[in-house]
Amino acid sequence: DVKVTQSSRYLVKRTGEKVFLECVQDMDHENMFWYRQDPGLGLRLIYFSYDVKMKEKGDIPEGYSVSREKKERFSLILESASTNQTSMYLCASSYPTGDVMAGNTIYFGEGSWLTVV
Amino acid sequence: GENVEQHPSTLSVQEGDSAVIKCTYSDSASNYFPWYKQELGKRPQLIIDIRSNVGEKKDQRIAVTLNKTAKHFSLHITETQPEDSAVYFCAASAEMWGSNYKLTFGKGTLLTVNP
Repeated sequence: DVKVTQSSRYLVKRTGEKVFLECVQDMDHENMFWYRQDPGLGLRLIYFSYDVKMKEKGDIPEGYSVSREKKERFSLILESASTNQTSMYLCASSYPTGDVMAGNTIYFGEGSWLTVV
Repeated sequence: GENVEQHPSTLSVQEGDSAVIKCTYSDSASNYFPWYKQELGKRPQLIIDIRSNVGEKKDQRIAVTLNKTAKHFSLHITETQPEDSAVYFCAASAEMWGSNYKLTFGKGTLLTVNP
């Protein structure tokens, strides 16, 4: 079974704090993703990474950065947390199949609920 | 980029009835369409997916249909049960580089199955 583990399930941080959300996967997946989930807005992609030290912006990267120093670990960083970043954050991973018609299933972590006060 | 529209946003059915959730996408290059189910407080999990080279796929009580010409796909759940109650997300994926894909999700449908 694929396991994607997010280290913190619930966090409360103050405005202006630097916040780290950690994610580890145990399936040797190349691809890792950070999504943000808000009611009525679905799942929006913040950043993704397809290799160690590689990163690409998703649809809503503003206010976030990421780090991928090891293949199994992908961190989301909020340099200066703001109240509008209160949300649930979902990490995910996938393995590229090499087959353009195969697609590739992504596996999600349990999510990290962040409240910024 | 890709845009995925999902309807309805909420759906309430009686146990035993069928439920249908519809999605449209904008990028004609998209060729992979998964559906995820998210129960309350849990992670989204893949329940069924379809590739663009087929028009329909079925797995027990759930089925997905794809119309590439019209750029829409649908999830069908028959004989609904209370445990089907969850948020369902559709997604579409177009190749972004090599064989790596980025999923764009719809906004979700809250399905409630009333006993």
